[in-house]
Amino acid sequence: ETGVTQSPTHLIKTRGQQVTLRCSSQSGHNTVSWYQQALGQGPQFIFQYYREEENGRGNFPPRFSGLQFPNYSSELNVNALELDDSALYLCASSLVGSPYGYTFGSGTRLTVV
Amino acid sequence: GNSVTQMEGPVTLSEEAFLTINCTYTATGYPSLFWYVQYPGEGLQLLLKATKADDKGSNKGFEATYRKETTSFHLEKGSVQVSDSAVYFCALSVNTGNQFYFGTGTSLTVIP
Repeated sequence: ETGVTQSPTHLIKTRGQQVTLRCSSQSGHNTVSWYQQALGQGPQFIFQYYREEENGRGNFPPRFSGLQFPNYSSELNVNALELDDSALYLCASSLVGSPYGYTFGSGTRLTVV
Repeated sequence: GNSVTQMEGPVTLSEEAFLTINCTYTATGYPSLFWYVQYPGEGLQLLLKATKADDKGSNKGFEATYRKETTSFHLEKGSVQVSDSAVYFCALSVNTGNQFYFGTGTSLTVIP
Protein backbone atom coordinates (compact mmCIF):
# COMPACT_ATOMS: atom_id res chain seq x y z
CA GLU A 1 0.00 0.00 0.00
CA THR A 2 1.46 3.35 -1.02
CA GLY A 3 1.34 6.34 1.29
CA VAL A 4 0.65 9.97 0.48
CA THR A 5 3.15 11.53 -1.88
CA GLN A 6 3.64 15.25 -2.46
CA SER A 7 5.54 17.20 -5.06
CA PRO A 8 7.69 19.13 -5.22
CA THR A 9 9.49 18.76 -1.90
CA HIS A 10 10.90 22.28 -1.94
CA LEU A 11 9.95 25.39 -3.88
CA ILE A 12 11.05 29.00 -3.96
CA LYS A 13 8.72 31.63 -5.41
CA THR A 14 8.66 35.40 -5.65
CA ARG A 15 5.99 37.51 -3.98
CA GLY A 16 3.01 37.98 -6.31
CA GLN A 17 3.58 34.75 -8.21
CA GLN A 18 1.26 31.75 -8.33
CA VAL A 19 2.12 28.21 -7.20
CA THR A 20 0.61 24.74 -7.62
CA LEU A 21 1.36 21.94 -5.19
CA ARG A 22 0.44 18.32 -5.91
CA CYS A 23 -0.61 15.36 -3.81
CA SER A 24 -1.34 11.70 -4.50
CA SER A 25 -3.61 10.13 -1.91
CA GLN A 26 -3.03 6.83 -0.17
CA SER A 27 -4.63 3.94 -2.01
CA GLY A 28 -8.23 3.38 -0.86
CA HIS A 29 -8.66 6.88 0.58
CA ASN A 30 -11.36 9.15 -0.81
CA THR A 31 -10.78 12.49 0.89
CA VAL A 32 -7.81 14.81 0.78
CA SER A 33 -7.08 17.69 3.11
CA TRP A 34 -4.48 20.41 2.98
CA TYR A 35 -2.78 22.00 5.94
CA GLN A 36 -0.37 24.90 6.29
CA GLN A 37 2.33 24.56 8.94
CA ALA A 38 4.26 27.72 9.66
CA LEU A 39 7.65 27.38 11.31
CA GLY A 40 7.28 26.38 14.95
CA GLN A 41 3.51 26.06 14.73
CA GLY A 42 0.96 23.31 14.45
CA PRO A 43 -0.73 22.58 11.13
CA GLN A 44 -3.68 24.82 10.22
CA PHE A 45 -6.56 23.42 8.17
CA ILE A 46 -6.89 24.99 4.72
CA PHE A 47 -9.62 22.84 3.15
CA GLN A 48 -10.79 19.32 2.46
CA TYR A 49 -12.00 17.73 -0.78
CA TYR A 50 -14.40 14.81 -1.10
CA ARG A 51 -15.91 13.57 -4.35
CA GLU A 52 -14.10 16.36 -6.17
CA GLU A 53 -15.86 19.10 -4.22
CA GLU A 54 -14.71 21.27 -1.35
CA ASN A 55 -15.99 19.77 1.88
CA GLY A 56 -14.97 22.26 4.53
CA ARG A 57 -12.63 25.21 4.61
CA GLY A 58 -10.54 26.86 7.28
CA ASN A 59 -9.79 30.53 7.73
CA PHE A 60 -7.86 31.06 4.50
CA PRO A 61 -8.57 33.65 1.77
CA PRO A 62 -9.98 32.72 -1.64
CA ARG A 63 -6.56 32.97 -3.27
CA PHE A 64 -6.04 29.50 -1.76
CA SER A 65 -7.92 27.08 -3.99
CA GLY A 66 -7.84 23.40 -4.74
CA LEU A 67 -8.89 20.55 -6.95
CA GLN A 68 -9.50 16.87 -6.43
CA PHE A 69 -9.33 14.55 -9.42
CA PRO A 70 -11.28 11.32 -10.08
CA ASN A 71 -8.29 9.27 -8.94
CA TYR A 72 -8.44 11.21 -5.62
CA SER A 73 -5.19 13.07 -6.25
CA SER A 74 -5.27 16.76 -5.52
CA GLU A 75 -3.75 20.16 -6.18
CA LEU A 76 -3.40 23.20 -3.98
CA ASN A 77 -3.14 26.50 -5.82
CA VAL A 78 -2.08 29.74 -4.21
CA ASN A 79 -2.34 33.00 -6.16
CA ALA A 80 -0.68 36.35 -5.45
CA LEU A 81 1.86 34.85 -3.08
CA GLU A 82 2.72 36.78 0.06
CA LEU A 83 5.78 36.46 2.26
CA ASP A 84 3.61 34.99 5.04
CA ASP A 85 2.67 32.10 2.76
CA SER A 86 6.12 30.66 3.41
CA ALA A 87 5.42 27.39 5.22
CA LEU A 88 5.34 23.62 5.00
CA TYR A 89 2.20 22.53 3.13
CA LEU A 90 0.95 19.14 4.18
CA CYS A 91 -1.46 16.96 2.29
CA ALA A 92 -3.38 14.30 4.18
CA SER A 93 -5.73 11.64 2.90
CA SER A 94 -8.37 9.68 4.74
CA LEU A 95 -11.39 7.46 4.22
CA VAL A 96 -14.77 8.95 5.09
CA GLY A 97 -16.17 7.23 8.16
CA SER A 98 -12.86 5.71 9.18
CA PRO A 99 -11.78 6.28 12.79
CA TYR A 100 -8.11 6.06 11.87
CA GLY A 101 -7.58 9.69 11.00
CA TYR A 102 -5.27 10.99 8.37
CA THR A 103 -2.22 9.71 6.57
CA PHE A 104 0.07 12.65 5.97
CA GLY A 105 2.56 13.26 3.22
CA SER A 106 6.02 14.63 3.92
CA GLY A 107 5.02 18.07 2.73
CA THR A 108 6.16 20.76 0.33
CA ARG A 109 8.38 23.46 1.80
CA LEU A 110 7.38 26.75 0.11
CA THR A 111 9.59 29.80 0.50
CA VAL A 112 8.30 33.14 -0.79
CA VAL A 113 10.96 35.80 -1.30
CA GLY B 1 -15.11 26.35 19.46
CA ASN B 2 -12.57 23.59 19.00
CA SER B 3 -8.99 23.97 20.18
CA VAL B 4 -6.04 22.11 21.66
CA THR B 5 -3.59 23.45 24.20
CA GLN B 6 -0.27 21.72 24.61
CA MET B 7 2.50 22.02 27.13
CA GLU B 8 5.12 24.36 25.76
CA GLY B 9 8.58 23.12 25.04
CA PRO B 10 11.23 22.50 24.34
CA VAL B 11 11.59 19.49 26.60
CA THR B 12 15.02 17.95 27.16
CA LEU B 13 15.33 14.59 28.93
CA SER B 14 18.04 12.09 29.58
CA GLU B 15 17.70 8.64 28.07
CA GLU B 16 15.44 6.32 30.13
CA ALA B 17 13.70 9.26 31.84
CA PHE B 18 9.91 9.42 32.21
CA LEU B 19 8.06 11.62 29.74
CA THR B 20 4.79 13.51 30.15
CA ILE B 21 3.50 16.01 27.60
CA ASN B 22 0.28 17.68 28.71
CA CYS B 23 -2.62 18.25 26.34
CA THR B 24 -6.04 19.72 27.08
CA TYR B 25 -8.84 20.43 24.66
CA THR B 26 -12.12 22.21 24.13
CA ALA B 27 -14.63 20.81 21.67
CA THR B 28 -18.15 21.62 20.51
CA GLY B 29 -18.97 17.98 19.99
CA TYR B 30 -17.63 14.63 21.12
CA PRO B 31 -14.10 14.51 19.74
CA SER B 32 -11.64 11.81 18.83
CA LEU B 33 -8.18 12.57 20.16
CA PHE B 34 -4.83 11.91 18.55
CA TRP B 35 -1.10 12.27 19.07
CA TYR B 36 1.04 12.78 16.00
CA VAL B 37 4.84 12.83 15.83
CA GLN B 38 6.98 14.77 13.37
CA TYR B 39 10.63 13.88 12.85
CA PRO B 40 12.96 16.50 11.36
CA GLY B 41 12.22 17.20 7.71
CA GLU B 42 9.24 14.87 7.60
CA GLY B 43 5.46 15.00 7.69
CA LEU B 44 3.28 13.92 10.59
CA GLN B 45 2.90 10.30 11.63
CA LEU B 46 0.03 9.02 13.73
CA LEU B 47 1.38 7.86 17.08
CA LEU B 48 -1.82 6.87 18.87
CA LYS B 49 -5.49 7.72 19.14
CA ALA B 50 -8.57 7.37 21.33
CA THR B 51 -12.14 7.76 20.17
CA LYS B 52 -14.16 7.73 23.41
CA ALA B 53 -13.87 8.60 27.07
CA ASP B 54 -11.56 6.38 29.18
CA ASP B 55 -10.03 4.81 26.05
CA LYS B 56 -6.28 4.39 26.27
CA GLY B 57 -4.28 4.72 23.08
CA SER B 58 -0.86 3.12 23.01
CA ASN B 59 1.98 2.57 20.56
CA LYS B 60 5.77 2.09 20.77
CA GLY B 61 5.69 2.46 24.55
CA PHE B 62 3.72 5.71 24.44
CA GLU B 63 0.31 5.93 26.11
CA ALA B 64 -2.45 8.50 26.47
CA THR B 65 -5.85 8.21 28.16
CA TYR B 66 -8.93 10.14 27.02
CA ARG B 67 -10.16 11.94 30.15
CA LYS B 68 -13.50 13.60 29.48
CA GLU B 69 -13.87 14.91 33.03
CA THR B 70 -10.63 16.89 32.78
CA THR B 71 -10.74 17.35 28.96
CA SER B 72 -7.21 16.01 28.75
CA PHE B 73 -5.16 13.57 26.70
CA HIS B 74 -1.67 13.62 28.20
CA LEU B 75 1.10 11.69 26.46
CA GLU B 76 3.37 9.49 28.60
CA LYS B 77 6.28 7.14 28.13
CA GLY B 78 8.07 5.33 30.91
CA SER B 79 11.56 5.32 29.42
CA VAL B 80 12.48 7.57 26.50
CA GLN B 81 15.16 6.82 23.94
CA VAL B 82 17.31 9.11 21.81
CA SER B 83 15.25 8.00 18.80
CA ASP B 84 12.13 9.55 20.41
CA SER B 85 13.54 13.03 19.76
CA ALA B 86 10.91 14.75 17.62
CA VAL B 87 8.03 17.21 17.78
CA TYR B 88 4.78 15.86 19.23
CA PHE B 89 1.37 17.26 18.29
CA CYS B 90 -1.89 16.70 20.10
CA ALA B 91 -4.96 16.93 17.87
CA LEU B 92 -8.69 16.48 17.89
CA SER B 93 -11.34 15.76 15.30
CA VAL B 94 -15.02 16.31 16.00
CA ASN B 95 -16.39 14.66 12.88
CA THR B 96 -14.74 11.46 11.72
CA GLY B 97 -12.46 12.14 8.80
CA ASN B 98 -13.07 15.87 8.88
CA GLN B 99 -11.00 18.83 10.00
CA PHE B 100 -8.32 18.28 12.61
CA TYR B 101 -7.36 20.88 15.18
CA PHE B 102 -3.73 20.71 16.23
CA GLY B 103 -1.84 22.07 19.18
CA THR B 104 1.31 24.08 18.60
CA GLY B 105 3.58 21.08 19.16
CA THR B 106 6.09 20.14 21.84
CA SER B 107 9.70 19.58 20.86
CA LEU B 108 11.39 16.72 22.69
CA THR B 109 15.13 16.16 22.74
CA VAL B 110 16.50 13.05 24.45
CA ILE B 111 20.20 13.11 25.30
CA PRO B 112 22.31 9.99 25.87
